[in-house]
Amino acid sequence: GEDVEQSLFLSVREGDSSVINCTYTDSSSTYLYWYKQEPGAGLQLLTYIFSNMDMKQDQRLTVLLNKKDKHLSLRIADTQTGDSAIYFCAESPGANNLFFGTGTRLTVIP
Amino acid sequence: EPEVTQTPSHQVTQMGQEVILRCVPISNHLYFYWYRQILGQKVEFLVSFYNNEISEKSEIFDDQFSVERPDGSNFTLKIRSTKLEDSAMYFCASSGQQRLFFGEGSRLTVL
Repeated sequence: GEDVEQSLFLSVREGDSSVINCTYTDSSSTYLYWYKQEPGAGLQLLTYIFSNMDMKQDQRLTVLLNKKDKHLSLRIADTQTGDSAIYFCAESPGANNLFFGTGTRLTVIP
Repeated sequence: EPEVTQTPSHQVTQMGQEVILRCVPISNHLYFYWYRQILGQKVEFLVSFYNNEISEKSEIFDDQFSVERPDGSNFTLKIRSTKLEDSAMYFCASSGQQRLFFGEGSRLTVL
C-alpha cells in the first residue's frame, strides 16, 4: 500500500531556509501536495506539484520532486515565526483520495 | 477562496452514543471525503463519495460508520456506538480539479 514518510521535527532560526523532506512509495501518484496545519486548525493547502515536473516555485516556497527516488521536498526561504506549524506531505495515486505522511513539526526560533 | 464548512467544531459524547458530523462542501464540487486525525498521528483517509454513493473506503470505515448526502448541500458522517478510540479530529474535504479543499475539522471527544 501507499506509504509516505517524513522526519518528525525540524528547528530553524528565523531568516534561515527550512527544508522539509518526504519520501513516498506509489510511483503512479499524479500529484503530490504540501499541507500546513497550525495548532488546532485545519489543513491548509500550501502548494502541489504535478508528477511530470521537477520543480515548482511559489513566492517563498520551492518544491523539488525527484521521481526516480520518490523524494519530495519543500523549501521555505526566509523562514518566519508564523511558519511554525506541522507540514504534511501527501500523495494522490488516484483522483479520489490522498495519503498523508506523518507530518513534520517545524519550529522557528526567533 | 471558497470554503468547506464543518459543524460542530467540537463535540463531546459518552461512549456508546451516536454522533453525526456535518459538512457543507464547496458548491460545484462533485467528490466529497472524510478523513480522521487521531491526536499526534497522521491524517487518515476514511471514505470518498461521488454521485450519491461511496466510491472508496478504507479499512477504518467499518459498519460503525456511514455517510450521507441528505440534501443538495450537506454531507454527513455518522458514527454509531462511539468508542473511546473514535476520539479524533474529523476533516471533511471536497475536490475540484485535483485540489482537495479541507474544512477546519470537527473534534470529537468520547468519554
